[in-house]
Amino acid sequence: GAGVSQTPSNKVTEKGKYVELRCDPISGHTALYWYRQSLGQGPEFLIYFQGTGAADDSGLPNDRFFAVRPEGSVSTLKIQRTERGDSAVYLCASSLAGGRDTQYFGPGTRLTVL
Amino acid sequence: DQQVKQNSPSLSVQEGRISILNCDYTNSMFDYFLWYKKYPAEGPTFLISISSIKDKNEDGRFTVFLNKSAKHLSLHIVPSQPGDSAVYFCAASGVSVNGGSQGNLIFGKGTKLSVKP
Repeated sequence: GAGVSQTPSNKVTEKGKYVELRCDPISGHTALYWYRQSLGQGPEFLIYFQGTGAADDSGLPNDRFFAVRPEGSVSTLKIQRTERGDSAVYLCASSLAGGRDTQYFGPGTRLTVL
Repeated sequence: DQQVKQNSPSLSVQEGRISILNCDYTNSMFDYFLWYKKYPAEGPTFLISISSIKDKNEDGRFTVFLNKSAKHLSLHIVPSQPGDSAVYFCAASGVSVNGGSQGNLIFGKGTKLSVKP
C-alpha cells in the first residue's frame, strides 16, 4: 500500500515569507508526527496529532510554527516569517494508533530559507 | 542537552563481518528503544525495537542489546552486507521530562555505516 507522502519535496523561500508543508499519512493511521532534521542531527520532535487534535505540541520551537489536521488525515505544517535557521528537512510520520506503534516516515520536505 | 547519544559518527566494516553500533541515553524514564535506518533522500525506516523489560531482541541478522544499568544499547548486524550501508539512528521514548506523551521519539545524531565489499 501507499506509504507516507509529503509535498513539496523541496521548498526554497526567502526570509520572512510564509510556507506550508503537507503530509499525507498512511490510510487509517490515527497518529501523525512532525519532526525536523537539521544538518548533522537526528530528527527532532515537533508535534504529535491523535486524530484531529494536537496531543503534544511541546516540540514546536516558537509561535511561528503551527500545524493542523482538520479531518484527522492530511496535516499541514505552517511556518510564518521564516528565518534562515528554519532551513532543515521536515519529516512526517504516521502510526496506527500512537503509543509504541511503529512510526512510518515520509521522505521529507527540504526547506531552504535564503 | 542530548538525551540520546551516538558518539561514533561513522563506522566502516568489511562485508561478512559484524557491525556494532552503539548508543547511550541519559533519561532513566525512557522505556522503549528503537533503531531506524536511513538512506539518502529517504525517510528513516524502522529496523528493530526493544522494551526496557528485555535485554535482547533479535530479528534475522539484526540484534539489539540493552544494558539498563549502563544506559547503553547496541545494534549488531551479522553478517554485514553492502546494502546495509546507511545512517543508523538510535531513538528512545517514554515519559518525557515535561510529562508529555510517550509517542514522540528522541533521536541520536546517527552513525553512518559503510560496508565494503
